Amino acid sequence: QVQLVQSGAEVKRPGASAKISCKASGYTFSSYFIQWLRQAPGQGLEWMGMINPNSGGTSYAQKMQGRVTMTRDTSTSTVYMDLTSLRSEDTAVYYCARRSPVSLVVDYWGQGTLVTVSS
Amino acid sequence: DIQMTQSPSTLSASVGDRVTITCRASQSISTYLAWYQQKPGEAPKLLIYQVSTLETGVPSRFSGSGPGTEFTLTISSLQPDDFATYYCQQYNVYPWTFGQGTKVEIK
Repeated sequence: QVQLVQSGAEVKRPGASAKISCKASGYTFSSYFIQWLRQAPGQGLEWMGMINPNSGGTSYAQKMQGRVTMTRDTSTSTVYMDLTSLRSEDTAVYYCARRSPVSLVVDYWGQGTLVTVSS
Repeated sequence: DIQMTQSPSTLSASVGDRVTITCRASQSISTYLAWYQQKPGEAPKLLIYQVSTLETGVPSRFSGSGPGTEFTLTISSLQPDDFATYYCQQYNVYPWTFGQGTKVEIK
């Protein structure tokens, strides 16, 4: 069965970086774009960017440009999201999610990773 | 970016009620509109895509409608499992954007 398993919760100081992993299984890794989204406590969903696991090509939300980097390791079917210069407003649950080539929307989600930014 | 505006923000209803949530896009998104359900502590779950196509396994009491810029999600007879927060999302263009959510509460 399709699974996206994310790394565990992190607590970071302002100015630090966080790198979250998302390991895919149960499907052909290179065939499905992976999206990253986040949700601040009690807030809605925000799209951060996406990566094409086949080519490694990425597209980022303008708001995140310069602070976010998405990469992949095809040998382990894992994608990574690196967010730098963390501030308190980055405290959120971060999700990786697979985009279906049929519906063009997310059909599977990771379990979420809470990143807390606090001094 | 395309703005998605949902209403109401909160909705109080009883089991068996017919419930309607509205989502308005700031510009045309064609039929690239999806609805998600989210329960506390869980990832969102896809209910509907392309305005009105039910995701596999989603009960038929959920339906979606609306062309252009104004869309609705209807739950024909609210069930106990339906108390949750619902989000609309446009995927016509990147960046994907979401409505602020509608929380369906028990009356």
